[in-house]
Amino acid sequence: TQLLEQSPQFLSIQEGENLTVYCNSSSVFSSLQWYRQEPGEGPVLLVTVVTGGEVKKLKRLTFQFGDARKDSSLHITAAQPGDTGLYLCAAYTSGTYKYIFGTGTRLKVLA
Amino acid sequence: DAGVTQSPTHLIKTRGQQVTLRCSPKSGHDTVSWYQQALGQGPQFIFQYYEEEERQRGNFPDRFSGHQFPNYSSELNVNALLLGDSALYLCASSFHRAGAFFGQGTRLTVV
Repeated sequence: TQLLEQSPQFLSIQEGENLTVYCNSSSVFSSLQWYRQEPGEGPVLLVTVVTGGEVKKLKRLTFQFGDARKDSSLHITAAQPGDTGLYLCAAYTSGTYKYIFGTGTRLKVLA
Repeated sequence: DAGVTQSPTHLIKTRGQQVTLRCSPKSGHDTVSWYQQALGQGPQFIFQYYEEEERQRGNFPDRFSGHQFPNYSSELNVNALLLGDSALYLCASSFHRAGAFFGQGTRLTVV
């Protein structure tokens, strides 16, 4: 069974602080995605990383795919209340054709 | 581009009834996956349709069935509803490993 474990599960920080969320697995993936989900809405795709060691930046968000394509991190600089939400990593495996989701990190940024 | 659209957005059903949820994929996407998301948890994979056939299935009972039409749209059917089927049902469309795009979901409440 392929599992994606995210840490931490919950994070409450003050506006302006930095944070990092981790997504780990023992399996190798073809690609990995990060999503943000707000209550009652579907997840919104933030980024897809494909190459081992790849780093992508989206404004204050930095995403990194591990060299071995088994893990990833999401770093947010100077967090804002608008960053509050559930962050999900998901991985795609060519053999199964499906995306499996991590356990999620619930982030709350206090003003 | 309308993105992924799901209908209805909310639904209340009684135990034992049957329900059909609908999904239209993002333009250019040929693969549709369905997920069940319980409150506070990450999405759980139900099944995936590609070329009008079920290509992969998660750990869900046969009460959950689906269909994909020639225009790539899809339906999720759930028979003999249980209270535990109450959840947000998400449809995601994708094309290879570029990332899955989600609809806003259907909130199903079974009473």
